[in-house]
Amino acid sequence: GAVVSQHPSRVICKSGTSVKIECRSLDFQATTMFWYRQFPKQSLMLMATSNEGSKATYEQGVEKDKFLINHASLTLSTLTVTSAHPEDSSFYICSAPLLDRALYFGPGTRLTVT
Amino acid sequence: EDQVTQSPEALRLQEGESSSLNCSYTVSGLRGLFWYRQDPGKGPEFLFTLYSAGEEKEKERLKATLTKKESFLHITAPKPEDSATYLCAVRDNYGQNFVFGPGTRLSVLP
Repeated sequence: GAVVSQHPSRVICKSGTSVKIECRSLDFQATTMFWYRQFPKQSLMLMATSNEGSKATYEQGVEKDKFLINHASLTLSTLTVTSAHPEDSSFYICSAPLLDRALYFGPGTRLTVT
Repeated sequence: EDQVTQSPEALRLQEGESSSLNCSYTVSGLRGLFWYRQDPGKGPEFLFTLYSAGEEKEKERLKATLTKKESFLHITAPKPEDSATYLCAVRDNYGQNFVFGPGTRLSVLP
C-alpha cells in the first residue's frame, strides 16, 4: 500500500520555541495533504488542508499564524508550530489521499512542550 | 453537512466471540466510505474502501459491508491482536475532506 512518512516521531521542546514536522508521501504524489491533531482517547481533529503550490486551508478555530503549513512539493508538506506552549502538546498526524482509493496516514508525531 | 457516528463507543469481546461494529453516516453523495484501524500512539492504518451500497470487502477476520445509511465491520473469531480503535470515515462528491467518526475501541480478551 501507499506509504506516508512523518518526521520526527517524537519531539520535546521548550515553551516559546518553534517545531517543524515533515510529512512525505514516499511512493505517490499528493497535491493535497491533511494535518490532524489527536488528543488521548479522542478521534482525529482536522486542523488544515495543505495544498501544493497554494495557501493552506485552515479549519475554524485553528490559528494559521501559529500552525504554519508549507506544501513545497508534490511529496512534502511541513507543519511548523510557532511559539509553542504546553497546550500545544499533542499527537499530530498527517495524511495524503491516493486518488479515490483511500487516505493514507503517517505514523504521527508526539509533541511535548515543557 | 456530512456526519458520521459509530457504535458502540467501546466493545469488549472474548477471543473467538464474533461481533459487528456500526458506522452510520449522512452524506450528500457518497464518494467513498473508509475503515481504519488505529493502535495507541500510531497513525491510522487503512483497511477498506467501499463505494456503493451492497459492496462487501474482506481481509482476514474482518469483513466490511455497506448500505445507503450505514456500514458494518464484522469481526469473526477475533484474536487479542485485533484490539484497537476502529475508525470510519466518509468522503462526499463535492469536497476533498474526509469526515471521521469518533471510533470504536475494541478490546479482545484472551
